Amino acid sequence: EAGVTQFPSHSVIEKGQTVTLRCDPISGHDNLYWYRRVMGKEIKFLLHFVKESKQDESGMPNNRFLAERTGGTYSTLKVQPAELEDSGVYFCASSQLAGSYNEQFFGPGTRLTVL
Amino acid sequence: QQQVKQSPQSLIVQKGGISIINCAYENTAFDYFPWYQQFPGKGPALLIAIRPDVSEKKEGRFTISFNKSAKQFSLHIMDSQPGDSATYFCAASRPGGYQKVTFGTGTKLQVIP
Repeated sequence: EAGVTQFPSHSVIEKGQTVTLRCDPISGHDNLYWYRRVMGKEIKFLLHFVKESKQDESGMPNNRFLAERTGGTYSTLKVQPAELEDSGVYFCASSQLAGSYNEQFFGPGTRLTVL
Repeated sequence: QQQVKQSPQSLIVQKGGISIINCAYENTAFDYFPWYQQFPGKGPALLIAIRPDVSEKKEGRFTISFNKSAKQFSLHIMDSQPGDSATYFCAASRPGGYQKVTFGTGTKLQVIP
């Protein structure tokens, strides 16, 4: 069974540019999460989709970040325009919807560097 | 403010030794405490988890100790091996099957031969 995949693995952009990160969750997982780890700090929650609906977007830093999950399958996270403080590793995770304490499966992350 | 505090930031242990990582939380609404293991180039992967109705959970060489009154929990790795070298994150989440996970800052463990 394929795990969570993310693309690209690395992205280097200049301040003011736009970047779009993609996440493909495990097939059949209705929950999809985005997290971010800034160097040396904790992994922080950004937002959570249930199928195509945003369940919780309380962790989104500001309106330069836009997440979508069209059709309830893959998700994209767009940063426009990027700022220096957006640098970090962006993780996507997915889990099943039913049941309690469902394990979240993480992708390998996208390392974003804003110069 | 950081809801889950983790220490130490890094840890070097000799092969065969015991690795201990400590965490503390503030929010008493948390009721699920997983530990994640992350190897370079990979995402975090669930290692072991505990709920506060038990004080200890053991899986192989990995043990979680939980102190509900002190709001602290720790991971013990017995007979540490070089293959255990990774970054470990403690975490916490609230009731419900789809709650977000709140992570600690991570501990980079190096097990030397």
